[in-house]
Amino acid sequence: GAGVSQSPSNKVTEKGKDVELRCDPISGHTALYWYRQSLGQGLEFLIYFQGNSAPDKSGLPSDRFSAERTGGSVSTLTIQRTQQEDSAVYLCASSPRTSGPETQYFGPGTRLLVL
Amino acid sequence: AQTVTQSQPEMSVQEAETVTLSCTYDTSENNYYLFWYKQPPSRQMILVIRQEAYKQQNATENRFSVNFQKAAKSFSLKISDSQLGDTAMYFCACGNSGGSNYKLTFGKGTLLTVNP
Repeated sequence: GAGVSQSPSNKVTEKGKDVELRCDPISGHTALYWYRQSLGQGLEFLIYFQGNSAPDKSGLPSDRFSAERTGGSVSTLTIQRTQQEDSAVYLCASSPRTSGPETQYFGPGTRLLVL
Repeated sequence: AQTVTQSQPEMSVQEAETVTLSCTYDTSENNYYLFWYKQPPSRQMILVIRQEAYKQQNATENRFSVNFQKAAKSFSLKISDSQLGDTAMYFCACGNSGGSNYKLTFGKGTLLTVNP
């Protein structure tokens, strides 16, 4: 079946602009995660959605970052007033969340470059 | 809080040889899972192998196996009969099995190059 998809694949923007990154999880997966991968670093957790529960936003680095998940499926990560330090690859992952930390299935990521 | 440390930023191995990637972790949880993910140049993170902490037997997946030393909080990955397609960044990760957020904590990765 189809895996996790993300769009756009690459995004170049100017400092101060807003950007929206989209994630389509695997159908039927109730858990959705956003991670950020900066150059030379591992993945940094940003936000977690599980079904209709309130999201865990504990990893968002500032209030310029927000995310929503509509209808328990597609998710959008929004970065307002982008800064150069926001340049990174943003990865989305989903899992069936039947019990415990199941394997997370990752999308190909969106590479964001802020000029 | 959890931390994951990968002390080898880069490694290389000859095709058909065996290589071991190191990972140590720290967690206050009693129940947790450990993972190795592979990220080739395409950026797609792919699960290589996973280990439940409550299981003493080391996980194996074809040419990939782990050496899980719970007391030492060590979780190394052994790749046997290395292939050119194994060239990638390898990330070690830890996730809780309790609570409500199963987010993963990742190490900084090891870049593995398999040479012909």
